[in-house]
Amino acid sequence: SSELTQDPAVSVALGQTVRITCQGDSLRSYYASWYQQKPGQAPVLVIYGKNNRPSGIPDRFSGSSSGNTASLTITGAQAEDEADYYCNSRDSSDNHLGVVFGGGTKLTVL
Amino acid sequence: QVQLQESGPGLVKPSETLSLTCTVSGGSISSYYWSWIRQPPGKGLEWIGYIYYSGSTNYSPSLKSRVTISVDTSKNQFSLKLSSVTAADTAVYYCAREKYDGYYYMDVWGKGTTVTVSS
Repeated sequence: SSELTQDPAVSVALGQTVRITCQGDSLRSYYASWYQQKPGQAPVLVIYGKNNRPSGIPDRFSGSSSGNTASLTITGAQAEDEADYYCNSRDSSDNHLGVVFGGGTKLTVL
Repeated sequence: QVQLQESGPGLVKPSETLSLTCTVSGGSISSYYWSWIRQPPGKGLEWIGYIYYSGSTNYSPSLKSRVTISVDTSKNQFSLKLSSVTAADTAVYYCAREKYDGYYYMDVWGKGTTVTVSS
């Protein structure tokens, strides 16, 4: 099965822009989805598809994709954005349409 | 809106079978994929497997030999069985709804349930 690779940790100054990346072969075939997880809580979908935000997700969250890399960008990071972020996608590498998650990126807002 | 609730024993003995159920409320189980995901303490998310509402399944290659996911559309529930558990299976277990509308994404998650494997 494929793997999705994320940087373990990223930091950003309050109000600045940060990009979190996710790399993997499955992203050449399927768009990534992005999830925010705060301590003790379930993950929450923040971006899916080409660049779609579920209802209630602030427009400072955006997504993009090129080749085998997907990116989540937070423009004007807020203190409440400090969280773990996970990407995932469908994966057809084993002739089955499974699911794969990245290892997660811990975002610190300074 | 749709809500998911995991239920099942919080403590399972080594070598036994872990059994969890996810109850879907506020919507139908039809026309979606239903996944189980787990998160060991201090670690990342791991996909376990999914079941389509019609009953077709797909499991993580690393867990495939021990996992069974089933669905009961009459009760709006789906279930996870993980056999021969060890301490490495201790985790928070989440159920999630995966939608496909040209893109695949998990738009609804349960709150998670903690399962500890210990004698």
